[in-house]
Amino acid sequence: AQSVTQLDSQVPVFEEAPVELRCNYSSSVSVYLFWYVQYPNQGLQLLLKYLSGSTLVKGINGFEAEFNKSQTSFHLRKPSVHISDTAEYFCAALSGGYNKLIFGAGTRLAVHP
Amino acid sequence: NAGVMQNPRHLVRRRGQEARLRCSPMKGHSHVYWYRQLPEEGLKFMVYLQKENIIDESGMPKERFSAEFPKEGPSILRIQQVVRGDSAAYFCASSGTGNNEQFFGPGTRLTVL
Repeated sequence: AQSVTQLDSQVPVFEEAPVELRCNYSSSVSVYLFWYVQYPNQGLQLLLKYLSGSTLVKGINGFEAEFNKSQTSFHLRKPSVHISDTAEYFCAALSGGYNKLIFGAGTRLAVHP
Repeated sequence: NAGVMQNPRHLVRRRGQEARLRCSPMKGHSHVYWYRQLPEEGLKFMVYLQKENIIDESGMPKERFSAEFPKEGPSILRIQQVVRGDSAAYFCASSGTGNNEQFFGPGTRLTVL
């Protein structure tokens, strides 16, 4: 089955600390991978995407992610978080048929002062 | 450039009524996708449409739900005889031909009383 798994439903972290949000995908999805951020009662904003090329992808707001084919992972990282990074983060993969996004359940990042 | 537009942003219906959700894709985009986000869950694919064609409706409930994307005008997601379980945020996304990135609208939050 096509699936994307986000291993942590909630991640609490202190301001200026580093953070990693984990994402694994099944081998049946494509390797077109995305991270989206959703602020309360808002839509989804694209943070970054992997389509091909370098396995280290840099996105907006200081986030980056690394595509690891052998571990079927696409973890999101930020070296120093801000209070404003508090939000829900979704990992997604384009389906094997390239016609829809398969989303993980989301990780709620809570940044504390 | 205007992004993906959805209206209304909030919709309240009583059980048994009809809900109509509208989505105008980004300028130049001819592919539209609808996703549903139930409370505390990730987004689930519902349907993928191109102008005047339903390409993939594998995520649509078999009854009461329908979608269209006419030659002129916005895409419409229609829910007949709504029930409380239909309460959710419904997101529309659009993409251009040959483009693997989907751009999301702000969503319509449907509440069924």
